[in-house]
Parts: sequence; structure tokens; C-alpha cells
Amino acid sequence: DAKTTQPTSMDCAEGRAANLPCNHSTISGNEYVYWYRQIHSQGPQYIIHGLKNNETNEMASLIITEDRKSSTLILPHATLRDTAVYYCIVRVATMYGNKLVFGAGTILRVKS
Amino acid sequence: GAVVSQHPSRVICKSGTSVKIECRSLDFQATTMFWYRQFPKQSLMLMATSNEGSKATYEQGVEKDKFLINHASLTLSTLTVTSAHPEDSSFYICSAIRSGGASPGRLYEQYFGPGTRLTVT
Repeated sequence: DAKTTQPTSMDCAEGRAANLPCNHSTISGNEYVYWYRQIHSQGPQYIIHGLKNNETNEMASLIITEDRKSSTLILPHATLRDTAVYYCIVRVATMYGNKLVFGAGTILRVKS
Repeated sequence: GAVVSQHPSRVICKSGTSVKIECRSLDFQATTMFWYRQFPKQSLMLMATSNEGSKATYEQGVEKDKFLINHASLTLSTLTVTSAHPEDSSFYICSAIRSGGASPGRLYEQYFGPGTRLTVT
């Protein structure tokens, strides 16, 4: 699985959009970009995933660059409850080798 | 749907004793479950892959005789920490794979349990 690079931490004002970047320059053609988050002392929560098109769901939007070497997770209106560690993971979506390798992630602090 | 539970949520045990942690998929069957460990202010580290009806596959550096994994049914995997020591104190998290997701990329998606906080005194 391709390696990802994320900033260590970010701050965001409550109500504003939080934009979390992720670099994955060695991504291969069949690898998806997944985003999970972990609120303190809880299990990780799936947020969104994408292959090459931009994606949006009720939680967030995922913008993937045309060359797929980087992506940005957007929380459109961050709330205090969005304070968490956000993990960007790149992997192939197959039954075999489904291990998720978590990097350090980005600590997002939403402030009032 | 796709809820994974863990029991207990917190456990304190004495050094030298064994502790069993259960991971259940409540509304789906999971042939594959994973066990992770997370130390304070660190990321999740995969310990082992648990396959229903067969032996678990352990990651490098994880002692299989110390961390016993049993996946006896399609909805239950257990992790037993044997002869626990204070350095085994950690947050243990399981995940389960549900096959047949609704969209490409969600196939075989992992759903995580809430975690179990183990403290060994």
C-alpha cells in the first residue's frame, strides 16, 4: 500500500470549513483513498473514500487531484465534536490483504 | 447497520493474570476480524488478523503465545492476553470486515469496535 503524509496538527474555527491535506505520491491505479477519524478513546470511524473522482457524503467531501498524488478531506462546517485524529489511508479494495495501516494522522482541533 | 461491539469496555487486572476481550459483529457476519493495539498518543498498530475457523495471522513482533486469538464463529472473535504485565496496558480495538458493500471501495469494508482499555497493575 502506498505511503501517506499528513500534517501533524491543524486548528479550525467552529463553523468554518476544515481542509485536511494528504500526500500519497506513490499511489497506484487500483488503490483507493480512505479517510477515517478517531475521537479520543473511541474506535476509528469511517468517513469517506474515493478512487479518482471527487466524492461527497453527509459527513465530508473528498477532493482528489487529477494525478491522484494528493487529496483533501473537507469538513464543510466544523463543529467542536469534529475534534479528532484524522487518518488518510491508501489501499487496494480487495478481500485479500485488507489490513489497514494507520499512520500518525492529523490532529484536528476545532475551536470556538 | 454494521455495528461492532467489544466487551468489556474497561478492565483492570493484576500482573500475571489473563484477560479475555470479546469482539462481536452485531448485525452482520464477519469471516475476518482484526485486532489492533494503541498506546497513549500513538497510532493504531495491527496485531493480528483473525479468520473464522482457522488460526490467526500475527504481525511481526507480536507474540502469538501471549495474545491468543480465537474466532470460533462468524460473529465473535476473542483476544486473550495471557500472563499480563503492566507494559501490556493499552487500548485494544477490533474491527470486522463485512463483505458485499454498497459501492466500489466499500467492498470488504472494515467496521471498528469502540475499544477496550486494559490496565495491568
